[in-house]
Amino acid sequence: DTEVTQTPKHLVMGMTNKKSLKCEQHMGHRAMYWYKQKAKKPPELMFVYSYEKLSINESVPSRFSPECPNSSLLNLHLHALQPEDSALYLCASSQDWRTEKNSPLHFGNGTRLTVT
Amino acid sequence: DAKTTQPNSMESNEEEPVHLPCNHSTISGTDYIHWYRQLPSQGPEYVIHGLTSNVNNRMASLAIAEDRKSSTLILHRATLRDAAVYYCIKRNSGYALNFGKGTSLLVTP
Repeated sequence: DTEVTQTPKHLVMGMTNKKSLKCEQHMGHRAMYWYKQKAKKPPELMFVYSYEKLSINESVPSRFSPECPNSSLLNLHLHALQPEDSALYLCASSQDWRTEKNSPLHFGNGTRLTVT
Repeated sequence: DAKTTQPNSMESNEEEPVHLPCNHSTISGTDYIHWYRQLPSQGPEYVIHGLTSNVNNRMASLAIAEDRKSSTLILHRATLRDAAVYYCIKRNSGYALNFGKGTSLLVTP
């Protein structure tokens, strides 16, 4: 079992739907991450939050909207997605690099998203 | 920023040692080498990291070349549960992980 919990595990949505992915950790980590992973490919960084503030956005389309309501929670709001956005979405957390350099990332097992 | 270079796949027999190589010829003085692995249907899992010296932990050992342009992850005794994709990542302290293609390790009984 992982210490980073992602819900739901699977999600099917239409291109006009609005949905949200959720991620929760209780390790006291202050950095949280969203990654996207297509089949047979490595994870690709999307967003990084540090102390609940967005610090990195890897030029992700605006149809993906991250939110960090508190230090334990990270959401990814989805709207008007395309079929090519179907992928495994991974959440991770770590100590913030200003307090502990090279802190390992702890990953959840992801949400498998299918856009129809 | 050039990523690391790893073989696409490797195969090992169960209970044998496995040496997974990684080239990182453009490494800078402040880059650490991190290794993660991803088992089927799971998120990536931290394995080990190092800067200059060889490192050991309960999962593996990391041997870093003297010029730091390459490193090797050593699994001392492979088990079937070690079958995974292994990622070697250059990480500048404080930055997020950027994954390369990794090495898919097959362990056969």
